[in-house]
Amino acid sequence: GAVVSQHPSWVICKSGTSVKIECRSLDFQATTMFWYRQFPKQSLMLMATSNEGSKATYEQGVEKDKFLINHASLTLSTLTVTSAHPEDSSFYICSAGISGANVLTFGAGSRLTVL
Amino acid sequence: AQKITQTQPGMFVQEKEAVTLDCTYDTSDPSYGLFWYKQPSSGEMIFLIYQGSYDQQNATEGRYSLNFQKARKSANLVISASQLGDSAMYFCAMRESTGGFKTIFGAGTRLFVKA
Repeated sequence: GAVVSQHPSWVICKSGTSVKIECRSLDFQATTMFWYRQFPKQSLMLMATSNEGSKATYEQGVEKDKFLINHASLTLSTLTVTSAHPEDSSFYICSAGISGANVLTFGAGSRLTVL
Repeated sequence: AQKITQTQPGMFVQEKEAVTLDCTYDTSDPSYGLFWYKQPSSGEMIFLIYQGSYDQQNATEGRYSLNFQKARKSANLVISASQLGDSAMYFCAMRESTGGFKTIFGAGTRLFVKA
């Protein structure tokens, strides 16, 4: 079945640094990937739609300069949290859809802690 | 705008009994898909079941069934013969045909299965 690999699973960084999270589709090509953010005991909030070869589409209220998304190939999308602050600490999950299928496949998530 | 509502923050069920998790939705798109995902404490999102808006029959997947009432805009998840391993967060989600794979999630219901 379709597998989405997300790396790293855990990351701790100092305030002011940037952190990159990778999302890879391992056995299929994903022209579109989605990035979600989840605070503890809350739902998944869609941050942006990552489009291969073009700019990401951000949801209302999401700072595009803070959360940089790059989808350089059909199997890789990256989310960079720039100048991270403690309030950016969260669980970030990526997902991808397979053409012709109904279901999104999710990565295992990345837990970011900013000290 | 599409919206998903889960009104049960937490639910308890006795092992081996059935439980219904509620979900209502709102959309103006006549073509849409409804999903249920399970999220254990590890954080991964596990797909459980899918219902298309034009599907005539309620979806079933093993112990999971979706009680789809289109006129009421509800898509409740029924878990039969609950097991201890069913304890997790459960999210109802929806995707409109006009949004590609873009999927939004409800607030979630935490299910506790008692031995």
